[in-house]
Amino acid sequence: NAGVMQNPRHLVRRRGQEARLRCSPMKGHSHVYWYRQLPEEGLKFMVYLQKENIIDESGMPKERFSAEFPKEGPSILRIQQVVRGDSAAYFCASSPKQGSGYTFGSGTRLTVV
Amino acid sequence: GESVGLHLPTLSVQEGDNSIINCAYSNSASDYFIWYKQESGKGPQFIIDIRSNMDKRQGQRVTVLLNKTVKHLSLQIAATQPGDSAVYFCAETSNYGGSQGNLIFGKGTKLSVKP
Repeated sequence: NAGVMQNPRHLVRRRGQEARLRCSPMKGHSHVYWYRQLPEEGLKFMVYLQKENIIDESGMPKERFSAEFPKEGPSILRIQQVVRGDSAAYFCASSPKQGSGYTFGSGTRLTVV
Repeated sequence: GESVGLHLPTLSVQEGDNSIINCAYSNSASDYFIWYKQESGKGPQFIIDIRSNMDKRQGQRVTVLLNKTVKHLSLQIAATQPGDSAVYFCAETSNYGGSQGNLIFGKGTKLSVKP
């Protein structure tokens, strides 16, 4: 079991570009969560998805951010027109059922220059 | 509002000593708590969890204590080793197994183990 796979590990984008972060959950896990971590801080919840459904997006910024978890393929966190404040580590977690058994990936570190 | 915070931002211990990391939470509806370890450049790694119907849970070298009266959670690490050096986060949710799955994380405590 390869665990939760995130790619790329590091991503550099210029202001105004788009960033696409991918997350493949553990085998058998159908629940995916995205979190953002600023330096020296804890993780902040962004969005919770199941296959083809967004369950809770209460932590997502209203603009520029979107997430999907299609029937086939990885979950995608998309940030349009990135700004310097988007620079952070973005972690994906998956679980076999709601609210428990989380396993985190190694994260994608986004740097906006 | 909801918050999960830690009493000590940094903790330095001697190898072989026991470590205690504390966490306070304010949401009395929280019913599930998890401790994570995060090493530099890596994602959070599950250490141990506890449901609100328990006061104590033990794992290998780790023990979690939950005091619901004062809304306090602690992680005890026995015989701390250099490999235990990391940032430790507590996390909570008020909807275990329910329709919401998001965790609320504390800010973290950095544990440094001196050889």
